[in-house]
Amino acid sequence: DAGVIQSPRHEVTEMGQEVTLRCKPISGHNSLFWYRQTMMRGLELLIYFNNNVPIDDSGMPEDRFSAKMPNASFSTLKIQPSEPRDSAVYFCASSFGPAGGYNEQFFGPGTRLTVL
Amino acid sequence: GQSLEQPSEVTAVEGAIVQINCTYQTSGFYGLSWYQQHDGGAPTFLSYNALDGLEETGRFSSFLSRSDSYGYLLLQELQMKDSASYFCAPVDQTGANNLFFGTGTRLTVIP
Repeated sequence: DAGVIQSPRHEVTEMGQEVTLRCKPISGHNSLFWYRQTMMRGLELLIYFNNNVPIDDSGMPEDRFSAKMPNASFSTLKIQPSEPRDSAVYFCASSFGPAGGYNEQFFGPGTRLTVL
Repeated sequence: GQSLEQPSEVTAVEGAIVQINCTYQTSGFYGLSWYQQHDGGAPTFLSYNALDGLEETGRFSSFLSRSDSYGYLLLQELQMKDSASYFCAPVDQTGANNLFFGTGTRLTVIP
């Protein structure tokens, strides 16, 4: 298996522009997570999907952030408009298993976002 | 609410043993997992404790005490490649399958 795939790996954009990050989870996994990592705040969960349905989006910082999972093999995280404080590494992770039990998460390589 | 406390940095000598402690506060606690992240890389799973006690996986062991809201990761026979950040991540059952991480512990192994 190719593992979790994220694109792009690096993104540099200007403040005010729209940014779309993409993720393809491991085939067969039914949970998908978006994280943001910065030095100051560490690794933060933004949103979690189970069977393509958003379960917990309490970590989404504000309305400028939105995430979708139109099918089991694709998810997007969109920032519109972007701001310099959004600069971070964004990770997508997936796992398999029923709710109510712990299942190891497999992380993608991340997207390093820089907003100028 | 949720909180997590780990040392920010630890330095140890190659071949030695190091223990990374973790105290947590969360509602609906389900278990404690540990992840490793090398610089520039993605977090990778190391271990998970659902029950109190010690879980051993090769050179790495993880311990959990639910009554103390405390756990630790023990790394033995340290190697240079063990230099990385280590995250304890409580599994919060209110989110099922959810983990919350923090800033982790940066381990530096020196010759």
